[in-house]
Amino acid sequence: EPEVTQTPSHQVTQMGQEVILRCVPISNHLYFYWYRQILGQKVEFLVSFYNNEISEKSEIFDDQFSVERPDGSNFTLKIRSTKLEDSAMYFCASSETGIRAFFGQGTRLTVV
Amino acid sequence: DAKTTQPPSMDCAEGRAANLPCNHSTISGNEYVYWYRQIHSQGPQYIIHGLKNNETNEMASLIITEDRKSSTLILPHATLRDTAVYYCIVRARWDSGGSNYKLTFGKGTLLTVNP
Repeated sequence: EPEVTQTPSHQVTQMGQEVILRCVPISNHLYFYWYRQILGQKVEFLVSFYNNEISEKSEIFDDQFSVERPDGSNFTLKIRSTKLEDSAMYFCASSETGIRAFFGQGTRLTVV
Repeated sequence: DAKTTQPPSMDCAEGRAANLPCNHSTISGNEYVYWYRQIHSQGPQYIIHGLKNNETNEMASLIITEDRKSSTLILPHATLRDTAVYYCIVRARWDSGGSNYKLTFGKGTLLTVNP
């Protein structure tokens, strides 16, 4: 079965630093998403991306966050100035039609 | 999207059927019932979805009551690898307009399959 690939699997960064989380969605998919899960809490929607633009974002997705699809294969999430509370698992997902989402294995972000 | 209610945890013996209930009493006519699961902090995995008819695939069966206010996910022969958090999610139809197909996760049911 095709997979969504996320790199790195674990990232440690200092507070205030910028981080870029990378995702390679499944090749023929058109809808892309980022979710996050703080340890012990629910999986939370961050942003959806379709047709080269953000289609919806949550309250969590403030000006510190941005997404980009720099080429035909990658989908990135940038956090400009990380805070301790940004420590979480970040999941990328993609979908061909929007009906069924495929999730990556996640990037564990630790802000120290 | 409508709210769902699931028991926080359930146990099941290996090889037996696991029946996971979900209440979604405020579901509307244009909303589907989805089930995903998450194995030990891995990425969520799609299991099945349905509107009003019962559905079956290679992973599970989904039984939706006639009034659509509740559903049951059935894993016919649970294995140890099925130990996971199972999420029941209600989501608007993708052709209903205005939907961006996001998933709203609750706390789910932790299913523990015991040997």
